[in-house]
Amino acid sequence: AQSVTQPDIHITVSEGASLELRCNYSYGATPYLFWYVQSPGQGLQLLLKYFSGDTLVQGIKGFEAEFKRSQSSFNLRKPSVHWSDAAEYFCAATDTGTASKLTFGTGTRLQVTL
Amino acid sequence: NAGVTQTPKFQVLKTGQSMTLQCAQDMNHNSMYWYRQDPGMGLRLIYYSASEGTTDKGEVPNGYNVSRLNKREFSLRLESAAPSQTSVYFCASIYGTGGLVSNQPQHFGDGTRLSIL
Repeated sequence: AQSVTQPDIHITVSEGASLELRCNYSYGATPYLFWYVQSPGQGLQLLLKYFSGDTLVQGIKGFEAEFKRSQSSFNLRKPSVHWSDAAEYFCAATDTGTASKLTFGTGTRLQVTL
Repeated sequence: NAGVTQTPKFQVLKTGQSMTLQCAQDMNHNSMYWYRQDPGMGLRLIYYSASEGTTDKGEVPNGYNVSRLNKREFSLRLESAAPSQTSVYFCASIYGTGGLVSNQPQHFGDGTRLSIL
């Protein structure tokens, strides 16, 4: 079955430190991959997406993600975290067929200490 | 431009009551989706509508029905609410349809927080 795994439920980093959130996928073929962010009480906002081509993709708010086919991973990174980055982050994937049915990971909650 | 609008934002129901969650988008999107979000489980797809006039089951459809009223609106109905349906419900939409859909990001509403006692 298709799945997306985010192994870290909760991560705490200091403001200004670097960040890496892990995401692994299990699909028959390379899926389309997304990272979303959810602030408390809000919907999901797209940070970035990978469809094909350059394996390092840039997103909004200074985030980037690297697709590694050999590791079935799509990890999210940010060089220097700001306190406003505290939120829940979801990795998601969809196969390249029709209807774009997203499969989400269980999310990683990011806490930023000052 | 409001994007995806969900109503109501909060609701408390008693077991056995019925309710319809409303979703409307003003982006001329073709495909629409309903998800539920539960702690530690991410978002799970309930139903989706790839285009006006079509609906299909997602991962967790039991206990729900949907109606694609027109291109803008996609409602989710709980006929007989159960405590297990306590959740946050999100509606989403995408412009494309059919084979053009998968490479486009979904736009989400702010959610409906539903509690069933």
